[in-house]
Amino acid sequence: DQQVKQNSPSLSVQEGRISILNCDYTNSMFDYFLWYKKYPAEGPTFLISISSIKDKNEDGRFTVFLNKSAKHLSLHIVPSQPGDSAVYFCAASAGNNDMRFGAGTRLTVKP
Amino acid sequence: DSGVTQTPKHLITATGQRVTLRCSPRSGDLSVYWYQQSLDQGLQFLIQYYNGEERAKGNILERFSAQQFPDLHSELNLSSLELGDSALYFCASSVNKGSGGYTFGSGTRLTVV
Repeated sequence: DQQVKQNSPSLSVQEGRISILNCDYTNSMFDYFLWYKKYPAEGPTFLISISSIKDKNEDGRFTVFLNKSAKHLSLHIVPSQPGDSAVYFCAASAGNNDMRFGAGTRLTVKP
Repeated sequence: DSGVTQTPKHLITATGQRVTLRCSPRSGDLSVYWYQQSLDQGLQFLIQYYNGEERAKGNILERFSAQQFPDLHSELNLSSLELGDSALYFCASSVNKGSGGYTFGSGTRLTVV
């Protein structure tokens, strides 16, 4: 049951440029969306979230965009830094239910 | 240190065996979630407990079971292990029953040989 999909397993960008990570979902009941970042040998850590009542949320270099009609969200990182290299997971939940995660996108930022 | 403690960090065991993974949630968090991450796979939700009671079930095999104790720590029991059970098992906790950011532990890497 792949309710949250990240179709790009990997992404490589140059330092200083924009990184755009994409995520699609199928469950129209999802009303809360999050991005997690995971380094090797560590658990995922919360990065940024957005409620379905908004279409954009910004936190420093990180911005999440939500397009409800397309059931699509994206994470923009500007400017990208080598330390941003990690696996990024998109997640979604409906009401007070558990969170469903995508397969992750491995971002590599080259110096 | 995220505040969520998982033990052991690594576990190697033979097929057919049974193991127990342990998780201590962040102080004050009532919900515990278990996720499985196989090679190149996303985080597959297994099960959630809230204040000692099972709250939600995901793709958890019948060979797997979990419980949350009165002190809120949780254990995930995996039995009749198969090679395909080799994975990273993450525990996460949160304050509320569902929505909101979870705090993850660093995971237990299970290798079945």
